[in-house]
Amino acid sequence: QSALTQPASVSGSPGQSITISCTGTSSDVGGYNYVSWYQQHPGKAPKLMIYDVSNRPSGVSNRFSGSKSGNTASLTISGLQAEDEADYYCSSYTSSSVWVFGGGTKLTVL
Amino acid sequence: EVQLVESGGGLVQPGGSLRLSCSASGFTFSSYAMHWVRQAPGKGLEYVSAISSNGGSTYYADSVKGRFTISRDNSKNTLYLQMSSLRAEDTAVYYCVKDNYERAFDIWGQGTMVTVSS
Repeated sequence: QSALTQPASVSGSPGQSITISCTGTSSDVGGYNYVSWYQQHPGKAPKLMIYDVSNRPSGVSNRFSGSKSGNTASLTISGLQAEDEADYYCSSYTSSSVWVFGGGTKLTVL
Repeated sequence: EVQLVESGGGLVQPGGSLRLSCSASGFTFSSYAMHWVRQAPGKGLEYVSAISSNGGSTYYADSVKGRFTISRDNSKNTLYLQMSSLRAEDTAVYYCVKDNYERAFDIWGQGTMVTVSS
C-alpha cells in the first residue's frame, strides 16, 4: 500500500492550464478505473472533484478534467482562477480492496 | 442537507484506546459503504478503513490492521472507529467519509482531532 506519486507543487498564472500527475502501479491506478481527485483548501475537508478517472460530480466546474494512461492518472485545470489555489490529492482503489492516496500537490496561482 | 458529523476525538496516551463516532443525516445511510480517512498535522491524506453498507465486510490499511475496528449501526445512522494500542503516529484529524457507489468519497465530515501523546 505505497502512496501514489504526485509532484509536490505546481503553479500557473490566471487563465492558464496546469496538469497534475499521479503515478501508481498495475495494482492500483493501472488496474482499475477507480481514480478520483480531491481539492482541499487550508483548514477545510477535502472535496471530490473527479471520480472514475474522468467523471465530474454535479456542481464541479468543467474546467476540471481527468484522464489516465497506463499507471499514471492526470488532473487538468484549465482557465486557472485564484480560488483554484489549494492542495490536490489523487486516490485509487487497489487490488488489496483498500484505497491509496497520493502525497498531495500544492497548486499556486501566481 | 447531506451531513456527516464526527465526535469522540481528544488526547490519549500511547497504548490507550478511543472510539470515534460519525452521525449521518440527509441520505439513506444504510445504502452506502462508509470510510475513515485521516490526515496528520501538515501532512497528506491517509486511507484508514472501509465498511460495506450492511456492515458485513470491513477493510483496513496495513498501518491500522489489528488495532482499529470499524463498525456501523444502521438503526442509528452512525459509523464508528474503535482505536486501540494507539501510537504517536496515529495523531491526526480523522474524517468520516461517504462512498458514492463508484469507489470515490463524495461527502466528508469536518473531522475530529486525535492526539496521541504522554
